[in-house]
Amino acid sequence: LAKTTQPISMDSYEGQEVNITCSHNNIATNDYITWYQQFPSQGPRFIIQGYKTKVTNEVASLFIPADRKSSTLSLPRVSLSDTAVYYCLVDASKIIFGSGTRLSIRP
Amino acid sequence: GAGVSQSPSNKVTEKGKDVELRCDPISGHTALYWYRQSLGQGLEFLIYFQGNSAPDKSGLPSDRFSAERTGGSVSTLTIQRTQQEDSAVYLCASSLQGAKQETQYFGPGTRLLVL
Repeated sequence: LAKTTQPISMDSYEGQEVNITCSHNNIATNDYITWYQQFPSQGPRFIIQGYKTKVTNEVASLFIPADRKSSTLSLPRVSLSDTAVYYCLVDASKIIFGSGTRLSIRP
Repeated sequence: GAGVSQSPSNKVTEKGKDVELRCDPISGHTALYWYRQSLGQGLEFLIYFQGNSAPDKSGLPSDRFSAERTGGSVSTLTIQRTQQEDSAVYLCASSLQGAKQETQYFGPGTRLLVL
């Protein structure tokens, strides 16, 4: 059963790059790594997904090392509106979101 | 197109009463998921539907919780004899086919308060 571990909280400032790392030591061969973002009083929404190496979209980048036992979500030049909870999800036989990382951005 | 909708948006009930929560998934999505989120906590998986069948209901916390899905569309989560610890936000999500790596699209949730 693939379980993820990520920091409970992080703080940063507007304009900075933020990197959130997730550990998933028991990831299976056919598992992808997916990140979701959740604002207060809303359901989570998909940010990015990857299998290996690097994936980039208009919102974020996802870095996955060769052993795939961890992944790093990178948010470039964050703004106040990026304050949210970020979940790392490795979809194995169970759908486990975990507690996520509460990111707070300050002016 | 329309996203996932849930009703009611808020529900206040008394301990011991039954409640029904409704989820309308995105049209054409065969997979539907229910989660529970307590205040300040992560998402707790409850049940997964593929069409009208529930191949994974392992997350339902007790036999007071049940869910059904009809016509491969609308789903209802029922909580019988509600307890105060049932107070939480109940989130519904749907995905196109239920493949493990598919994006799940979430509704806004139903905030349940049991007094």
